[in-house]
Formats: sequence, C-alpha cells, structure tokens
Amino acid sequence: QKEVEQNSGPLSVPEGAIASLNCTYSDRGSQSFFWYRQYSGKSPELIMSIYSNGDKEDGRFTAQLNKASQYVSLLIRDSQPSDSATYLCAVIRDKLTFGTGTQLKVEL
Amino acid sequence: DGGITQSPKYLFRKEGQNVTLSCEQNLNHDAMYWYRQDPGQGLRLIYYSQIVNDFQKGDIAEGYSVSREKKESFPLTVTSAQKNPTAFYLCASSKSPGQVLKDTQYFGPGTRLTVL
Repeated sequence: QKEVEQNSGPLSVPEGAIASLNCTYSDRGSQSFFWYRQYSGKSPELIMSIYSNGDKEDGRFTAQLNKASQYVSLLIRDSQPSDSATYLCAVIRDKLTFGTGTQLKVEL
Repeated sequence: DGGITQSPKYLFRKEGQNVTLSCEQNLNHDAMYWYRQDPGQGLRLIYYSQIVNDFQKGDIAEGYSVSREKKESFPLTVTSAQKNPTAFYLCASSKSPGQVLKDTQYFGPGTRLTVL
C-alpha cells in the first residue's frame, strides 16, 4: 500500500464548477497535510496546509481533513482554466511524503 | 526579494560525468532538501540538511552527494554512480528543524537534468 494515494486523473470539470480532489494516507500518526499545485514543467507551489480535523477555507480553496478515515481532500470552487494543473497531496509523519498527484483540467 | 534559486534551469550531461546542481535560499531557513521527480511518480527525497555541516540521506541517496557549508547553500552533486540520473531536481527549504513535523516546505524552480 502506498503511503499517500491519489487518483492520477485526469479529472475534467467545466469552468465555474467545483473540483474535488481526494487523497488517502496509510500512516495514522501523520500530523500535517498539504496541497501543492504544480503546473507542467514547473515546481510545486503550496496552496493549502491543514493540521486539524474539519475544513479550512482560503479563497476558492477548501481543504478537508478526516483523520479517522485517513482522508484529506481539496475543493476548488468556481474552477477556472488557470486552475488546470497537477495537484500533489503531501503528508508529514517523520518526513514529507508526496502522492503522485491528480491532473485537473478545467474546460471552457 | 526572498526565495529559493536553482541553477541552471536545464543541464545536459554526458554519461560518466559528475555534475553539480546549485541551490541557494535567502529566506533564513534552517532546513534544506533535495528531491527528484520522474514522470508519473511522486517526489522522492534524496538528501536533507537541518543545520550547517550536517545532512542525512533520504530514500534514494545512492549516486548523489551533498554539502552544507553555509546556511544559504545546499549543492547537490549527481555522480557517475547514479544509474538513471535524467529527472527534474527540486530543492526545498523549511524554516526550523525543530518544527519539522509541522514545517512547511517551499520549493525552488527546479533543474531539469538530461543525460545524453
């Protein structure tokens, strides 16, 4: 079982819709959770961090954490073509561990 | 203008040659990291350093070496012993080694290395 699992996609959503990206992790001791956005050929850019169960909102982005289910998600409201990228889920237990990413395509 | 810089952006190397990738940060961060990224795979940790003159191997350190002589700099050498060095190399830093469990990492722009 991979430490951090994401569906590789691509996930296609129409412009203006809500994009829902999901991530599961295997280590119950994980304490910190991050979402990075990576455009093609570029480096990852941090967009959200979450440490406690529940929701955390920042603009159009909402991160959701459920430690009992070992599940973290990212919702992007009012999706824009500029949101088209690969979204990496990352988890810290002893070190930062990345998933392989979900490719999001926002279509006009 | 604070940030992490990596150079060069693109690097081509012949088989059998060592090559050094530069990483500099002016964020006053204590910890620095090197990752490699291959298509379809997550980022994999090569080496990390939490303080000057100290560094630890990550998950895939074989064929790589690092140094940390200055807080701001963490160069990575890809040696000829690395069997498949063609990849996207990413340097990152975080503020405090003591907060590593909740410490956010910020990435440089990356170096794309191609072995010819």
